Amino acid sequence: ILNVEQSPQSLHVQEGDSTNFTCSFPSSNFYALHWYRWETAKSPEALFVMTLNGDEKKKGRISATLNTKEGYSYLYIKGSQPEDSATYLCASNGGAAGNKLTFGGGTRVLVKP
Amino acid sequence: DAGVIQSPRHEVTEMGQEVTLRCKPISGHNSLFWYRQTMMRGLELLIYFNNNVPIDDSGMPEDRFSAKMPNASFSTLKIQPSEPRDSAVYFCASSLFAPPPDGEKLFFGSGTQLSVL
Repeated sequence: ILNVEQSPQSLHVQEGDSTNFTCSFPSSNFYALHWYRWETAKSPEALFVMTLNGDEKKKGRISATLNTKEGYSYLYIKGSQPEDSATYLCASNGGAAGNKLTFGGGTRVLVKP
Repeated sequence: DAGVIQSPRHEVTEMGQEVTLRCKPISGHNSLFWYRQTMMRGLELLIYFNNNVPIDDSGMPEDRFSAKMPNASFSTLKIQPSEPRDSAVYFCASSLFAPPPDGEKLFFGSGTQLSVL
């Protein structure tokens, strides 16, 4: 069973500020790291899937980095807006494509106007 | 594409009754996952299928839970008999069983809110 952890559990950000948070996962037998955005009363939506050490992905004001050697990924939100308020989930599967994906507990982000 | 379609959106039932949740994955996807969301445990995987074959059902809580995927476009999750502690949101997700970037990414349905009284 993979142990995927996210920190912090929640954070409040002032509109316009930038923020980042962490996902840690087992570095051994790594295959892929996912980030999902989950708005209240909706279902999770995929942001990124990353596989390579040093990989960096960007989607608008949101970006993510990956360190597979030490087993962590950062998600960054630049110039936070109220619509960025959501729970951000990371998930990892080990070994190969199609393997079981284990989710972390999520980081709940609240952007205050 | 219509996305992953789940039904019903809401289900209220009494303890002891049978509950069947349904899922239609995205056409062309060949992996299907059933997740349960609770306050205590977050998003936990119950079972997943690759090419209609169950691969890992270790997350299924008890024998009261069963899942089937008779063809590539339909899956069910059945709880019989249901208990109040089964109350949760149940998500179905599908993906393409292939390496990223085309594969692996999960597409979630809207979920079924189950309440067992």
